[in-house]
Amino acid sequence: DAGITQSPRHKVTETGTPVTLRCHQTENHRYMYWYRQDPGHGLRLIHYSYGVKDTDKGEVSDGYSVSRSKTEDFLLTLESATSSQTSVYFCAISESSAVLEAFFGQGTRLTVV
Amino acid sequence: KQEVTQIPAALSVPEGENLVLNCSFTDSAIYNLQWFRQDPGKGLTSLLLIQSSQREQTSGRLNASLDKSSGRSTLYIAASQPGDSATYLCAVKGGGADGLTFGKGTHLIIQP
Repeated sequence: DAGITQSPRHKVTETGTPVTLRCHQTENHRYMYWYRQDPGHGLRLIHYSYGVKDTDKGEVSDGYSVSRSKTEDFLLTLESATSSQTSVYFCAISESSAVLEAFFGQGTRLTVV
Repeated sequence: KQEVTQIPAALSVPEGENLVLNCSFTDSAIYNLQWFRQDPGKGLTSLLLIQSSQREQTSGRLNASLDKSSGRSTLYIAASQPGDSATYLCAVKGGGADGLTFGKGTHLIIQP
């Protein structure tokens, strides 16, 4: 299994509070991604990174920000959590943007009450 | 915008049957297609990766084919077992550094 660790694995937070999810990899892969998975929508890309300090928006980036200060860590921040951000969040990594496989973490279940 | 559709959404079959899961995508300009398995409450496990220049890939009882020009892929599971019960996801990778576009999955139940 690819060395991807997401933390926390479960979190309940209140509306309006900031939340940060962490993805840590031990594979030294260049590309990292954050997805959310919701019933009826499948997995959708939030943000991605193609190197240290290099990030860009995905399909559903509103309300989210990211940071990557080291190759191994990719942080997803909800500045002010809303109930619509209740979801399961997955981190993924890939050595190459186009050719090689993507590997996924175990997910973080976030509930905003 | 790329769209990925998986048919059927759910499937329940007796153990031992051979079965086919379908995936279609609207934009044929893809770099690769990846099939994943997801067990309830778990992450995604990569099953097979097909590059755009390839026609098929095999791993054990699994065989995935790709017809890029028609925008279709199939995942063939031979001699199904109860342990194959899971949700199977198809995802395509287009150009650029952004991520995969996923279908909504096929929820598969293999009856003992």
